Amino acid sequence: DSGVTQTPKHLITATGQRVTLRCSPRSGDLSVYWYQQSLDQGLQFLIQYYNGEERAKGNILERFSAQQFPDLHSELNLSSLELGDSALYFCASSAEGGAPGELFFGEGSRLTVL
Amino acid sequence: AQKITQTQPGMFVQEKEAVTLDCTYDTSDQSYGLFWYKQPSSGEMIFLIYQGSYDEQNATEGRYSLNFQKARKSANLVISASQLGDSAMYFCAMREGNQAGTALIFGKGTTLSVSS
Repeated sequence: DSGVTQTPKHLITATGQRVTLRCSPRSGDLSVYWYQQSLDQGLQFLIQYYNGEERAKGNILERFSAQQFPDLHSELNLSSLELGDSALYFCASSAEGGAPGELFFGEGSRLTVL
Repeated sequence: AQKITQTQPGMFVQEKEAVTLDCTYDTSDQSYGLFWYKQPSSGEMIFLIYQGSYDEQNATEGRYSLNFQKARKSANLVISASQLGDSAMYFCAMREGNQAGTALIFGKGTTLSVSS
């Protein structure tokens, strides 16, 4: 158990809809990262939040947005969903300062867009 | 350009044999970290091993070792005495800079199949 909690584990929805994925980081971790894993693209970094502020942005589409709340949980909002958004979405958290700085991953939220 | 390249989509090995999973990386930073993660069929991402760019010794963690060749920019994972439970997808990843709190860049992964 990594200590990172993601909900829901599975989600099936239709094209054009909007969904929200939720993540609670490990106790004490201030950084939260979102990754998308699809078969053809591998693990793609989407966005990172640190203590409520956006810290780094990766390949996140404009239809997607995220935020981190004062209690440090984070939500990833996916809107105007397309078939190609079907993927496994991971949240991860990490400690700050020094090496190694590994990311601790949640179990993922599997999104299926029909 | 790809920052992390894993050229082996799939590898097959027999139980108790050693296997090497290849990873090359591309960065202009002098300080960076290299990671390997395992993803079993259940889907979770499990951290295996870490190598810092200034570490002189190759990292080892139990049956896992990282063959770090800085000049060649390679960070191959060696699994000794393979077990059936090692069957999984393996990802190489890099953090640019030497501080925690930075996103990792992942390769596309190698699927390892261990047979009895």
